[in-house]
Amino acid sequence: AIQMTQSPSSLSASLGDRVTITCRASEAIRNDLAWYQQKPGTAPKLLIHSASSLKSGVPSRFSGSGSGTDFTLTISSLQPEDFATYYCLQDSIYPYTFGQGTKLEMK
Amino acid sequence: EVQLVESGGGLVQPGRSLRLSCVGSGFKFDNYVMHWVRQPPGKGLEWVAGLSGKSLVKGYADSVKGRFTISRDNARNSVYLQMDSLTVEDTALYYCAKDDTGFGFDNWGQGTRVTVSS
Repeated sequence: AIQMTQSPSSLSASLGDRVTITCRASEAIRNDLAWYQQKPGTAPKLLIHSASSLKSGVPSRFSGSGSGTDFTLTISSLQPEDFATYYCLQDSIYPYTFGQGTKLEMK
Repeated sequence: EVQLVESGGGLVQPGRSLRLSCVGSGFKFDNYVMHWVRQPPGKGLEWVAGLSGKSLVKGYADSVKGRFTISRDNARNSVYLQMDSLTVEDTALYYCAKDDTGFGFDNWGQGTRVTVSS
């Protein structure tokens, strides 16, 4: 199975900060990567698919990049509602695999 | 409006079986791959299984292969997860998710909780 290594596992940041989360795949997955946001007690929410395509309705401060094995999620200017846990998911080949998650906390 | 509603969770003893259901509405069910994703208490997400619209292609996580079976009944707009030989490590909140093929898991249910304990 493809392993997804996500870093950091946690991150403290302030309102207005620019933050970057990375995911590395153990083998190339083209651009078959999605990013999800999860807040406590709620189901995950899709932010980005195909590595860099923003889902309709998701604020433009979220962006994704990468291809092959290395991917990033960037939030350009943190807003209060962005403090949550973020996961990457490779949806290239079964079995699909999530990264371990990054908990974004307020500094 | 797309809705996914899971059911069938509960408390079960190790070694026993449980069948989860997920009913979808607001979309043409048989056009979409459906998945099960789980989340153990306080931990991250784990993809469990996926099944194509016509049930021709399916996949499983290594941790459940041979014990869990995903199936669907498009006439009932439903996808199922038959879970056999359950262990305490299967304790989790189980979500079903709709896969807008190539565009991510765009809709999720609220989950059904499975607790495996003696």
